[in-house]
Amino acid sequence: GNSVTQMEGPVTLSEEAFLTINCTYTATGYPSLFWYVQYPGEGLQLLLKATKADDKGSNKGFEATYRKETTSFHLEKGSVQVSDSAVYFCALSHGSGGSNYKLTFGKGTLLTVNP
Amino acid sequence: GAGVSQSPSNKVTEKGKDVELRCDPISGHTALYWYRQSLGQGLEFLIYFQGNSAPDKSGLPSDRFSAERTGGSVSTLTIQRTQQEDSAVYLCASSPRQEIYEQYFGPGTRLTVT
Repeated sequence: GNSVTQMEGPVTLSEEAFLTINCTYTATGYPSLFWYVQYPGEGLQLLLKATKADDKGSNKGFEATYRKETTSFHLEKGSVQVSDSAVYFCALSHGSGGSNYKLTFGKGTLLTVNP
Repeated sequence: GAGVSQSPSNKVTEKGKDVELRCDPISGHTALYWYRQSLGQGLEFLIYFQGNSAPDKSGLPSDRFSAERTGGSVSTLTIQRTQQEDSAVYLCASSPRQEIYEQYFGPGTRLTVT
C-alpha cells in the first residue's frame, strides 16, 4: 500500500536558518504529493503541492520538488522565521475509484524557530 | 466565506458510551473525508463520501465506527461503545469537484474517553 516517511524531528532552528525536512514515499504509479502545515491551535492547511514528476510546488517561501527517481518530496526554505514554527506533514494522494483522493500522511515534523 | 466547521470542539465521554461528531463542509463541496489524528498512529484516513454515498470506508477501525452524510452536506461520525483507544482528534475535510487535490480541513473534534 501507499506510505510516507518523513523526518520526525523535532527540528529547532534559529531565525534566518535554512530548512530541509526530508520526505520519501512508496506508491504505485504517479501519486500527487503535498505538504500540509498545522500552526499551533489551528487546523491543517495545504502549504504546497505537486501533481506530477519534476513539478515544483512553492508557497510562502517554501519549495518542494517531486522527484520520481528518488521517490522524494523534500521541503525547503532558505530563511525561516519565528512564524514558521508549526508541525509539517508530508502526504500523498493516489486517486482511486474515481474521485477518491484520500490522503496518506507522514508522522509530522515539529519545527521550532527561535529568534 | 465560511470554512469547514466541526462540533463539538471537545468531547469527554466515559468508556462504553456512544458519541456523535458532526462536520459541516464548505457549501457546494461534493467530497468529504474523515481522518483521525492520534499520538500513536499519526493522521489516518477513516472514510470518504462523494455526495451522500461512501464508496471508501476502508479506514474505519472497527464496526463500532459508522458515518453518514445527508443532503450532500452535513456528515456525522458515530462511535458506539467508546474505548480508551478511540481518544484522538477527529478531522473532517471537504473538497470541491473542480479542485480535487485541495482538501480544506476543519478544526477537529478532540475526543477523550475516560
